[in-house]
Amino acid sequence: IAGITQAPTSQILAAGRRMTLRCTQDMRHNAMYWYRQDLGLGLRLIHYSNTAGTTGKGEVPDGYSVSRANTDDFPLTLASAVPSQTSVYFCASRDSGSSTDTQYFGPGTRLTVL
Amino acid sequence: RKEVEQDPGPFNVPEGATVAFNCTYSNSASQSFFWYRQDCRKEPKLLMSVYSSGNEDGRFTAQLNRASQYISLLIRDSKLSDSATYLCVVMRGSARQLTFGSGTQLTVLP
Repeated sequence: IAGITQAPTSQILAAGRRMTLRCTQDMRHNAMYWYRQDLGLGLRLIHYSNTAGTTGKGEVPDGYSVSRANTDDFPLTLASAVPSQTSVYFCASRDSGSSTDTQYFGPGTRLTVL
Repeated sequence: RKEVEQDPGPFNVPEGATVAFNCTYSNSASQSFFWYRQDCRKEPKLLMSVYSSGNEDGRFTAQLNRASQYISLLIRDSKLSDSATYLCVVMRGSARQLTFGSGTQLTVLP
């Protein structure tokens, strides 16, 4: 693989169910991010991780949790899904040692909560 | 007020036209600035970074005015393949987190 992969590509989920969105990158980037994108609102940051073992809250963290056990993986968990979490979720990574600050995005996960 | 404001469009222009997008940001602590391109709800992809001195990449020119907190993107000689949503993005904070505008939709017509 090259770049960032996300799984699943799409999912329909019943409200109240637990769901983990997976994100894996093979670029050895230290920093990783989770965003959600809703029509008319643009992308909004949910959680981030500057390096393995650390995480932080973004603009819309409620109802979501993350972990960063290693450099490559950054899963996002919805403990008890609600319909307002219906969205497209993008994972991103950045090489914190680079001067360019560029974030690279995965292909996204389309989640529908009914 | 949104931290990053863009005209949502849509902009419908003929091939070969020149089109300009504008963007304003409210947080003066913003450190880096970008234009990303997004096709049909696929992942955003970096189009170009934006520097205070202005920068050009082929048909694309980006400008930043820190005093006015204003960012622009100019596309010359529009191609059909330029049809997409253009996202104005600022970066700030120790986490280097990105804040996105809602995007400006461009359709280039034959």
